[in-house]
Amino acid sequence: KQEVTQIPAALSVPEGENLVLNCSFTDSAIYNLQWFRQDPGKGLTSLLLIQSSQREQTSGRLNASLDKSSGRSTLYIAASQPGDSATYLCAVSIPGNTGKLIFGQGTTLQVKP
Amino acid sequence: ETGVTQSPTHLIKTRGQQVTLRCSSQSGHNTVSWYQQALGQGPQFIFQYYREEENGRGNFPPRFSGLQFPNYSSELNVNALELDDSALYLCASSFQTDTQYFGPGTRLTVL
Repeated sequence: KQEVTQIPAALSVPEGENLVLNCSFTDSAIYNLQWFRQDPGKGLTSLLLIQSSQREQTSGRLNASLDKSSGRSTLYIAASQPGDSATYLCAVSIPGNTGKLIFGQGTTLQVKP
Repeated sequence: ETGVTQSPTHLIKTRGQQVTLRCSSQSGHNTVSWYQQALGQGPQFIFQYYREEENGRGNFPPRFSGLQFPNYSSELNVNALELDDSALYLCASSFQTDTQYFGPGTRLTVL
C-alpha cells in the first residue's frame, strides 16, 4: 500500500532564506509526483509535476527533484517571501490507477518578514 | 484560477441528514475526482468519474455516492451524515489521466 509522508509538519523561516521541503513515499512504482500549494481553507494549486522518468522540474524560484529508488522528493524554494506562506502538499499517482492521487499530510510554511 | 467551480462554498448540516455537493469541471475536461480533506490532513480520494461512469473508488462507505452528467459536471452525495464527515470537499477535473485541476472546495460542517 502506497503511503506518503511529509516532514516537517510545520516550518518557520525568516524572509530571504532558501528552504527544502521533504516528501517520501513507500512504493517506488509511481506514475508521477506532484507538488501543490494550499492557502488556508482554499483549494489546491498545482506547482510542479514530475513524471516518473524525470529527475526534476523547475518553475521560477521552485525546484522539485525526484529520486524514485529512495522514495523521496524535495521541493526547494529559493529566496523565500512572506507570500510563500501556505501549506505545501505532495501527491503521487500510481500505474493502473493514475486518477487517484495519494497525498501526504502537508508542510505548513510560515515566512516571517 | 483553474476554471473548476464548486457549490456551495459552505454548508452546515445535522447528523443523519443528506447533502449534495456540486462541481463544474474545466472546459475540455471529461474526468472529475472527489477528495475529502479533514482539518490538518491531506486530501483522501473518494472516487473518480470518467464519461459518466465511476472509474475508481477509495476507502469510503456506500453512503458516499456520485454522479457525472453529460456536460461532465458532477455531484457528490452523502447520506446519513456523521460528525466525522465534517471536512473540506474538493473536486478536481482533468482530461483523462492528465494533470488534475482543483476547485476551491466546499466546507461541510456536521453538527
